[in-house]
Amino acid sequence: SQQGEEDPQALSIQEGENATMNCSYKTSINNLQWYRQNSGRGLVHLILIRSNEREKHSGRLRVTLDTSKKSSSLLITASRAADTASYFCATAGDSSYKLIFGSGTRLLVRP
Amino acid sequence: ETGVTQSPTHLIKTRGQQVTLRCSSQSGHNTVSWYQQALGQGPQFIFQYYREEENGRGNFPPRFSGLQFPNYSSELNVNALELDDSALYLCASSSRGHEEKLFFGSGTQLSVL
Repeated sequence: SQQGEEDPQALSIQEGENATMNCSYKTSINNLQWYRQNSGRGLVHLILIRSNEREKHSGRLRVTLDTSKKSSSLLITASRAADTASYFCATAGDSSYKLIFGSGTRLLVRP
Repeated sequence: ETGVTQSPTHLIKTRGQQVTLRCSSQSGHNTVSWYQQALGQGPQFIFQYYREEENGRGNFPPRFSGLQFPNYSSELNVNALELDDSALYLCASSSRGHEEKLFFGSGTQLSVL
């Protein structure tokens, strides 16, 4: 079963616009990660935020975490056509060996 | 490119057959995890191997089994295939103490007819 839900399920924006994806989860976590997947192939790690952090930046990515609401958001600024992919949040609990993934957001960036 | 390689890339089997999927870890990584991703869903954790021992298991039946070899490569075996086993199977490697960040292979697309 999935840990939580991602919202929206699909997002279509124009190149240059910002894209925001949200993730909700159910149980307490040690950290939350975001991954990207192109065309149903392997996932690529984007960014990790720990439970005691509230915001983190990496290049054009900004992630926030609200543990009181059990939610996170991923913001991609100045989007490019190459950002078109599916984006997944994944949570790790005390058993760090296991990641629980959300259902993903499909992002389409139109040139 | 993550350095994690999986074979084969595609596979077609019939119900009741057995299948073996293979994974080579990224250099320096001694932990391997396997995930199943059904169409339109996020990956689901099957199990993890460290030092050739199963280190944790998700909610999958015993007909899903695995091996890890001394060179840290790994196999996923599925017996008595069912139609619902059709999915993308992803292997991910990590190094002990840094399990948080996973490096995924491109996956094996398994179709069960």
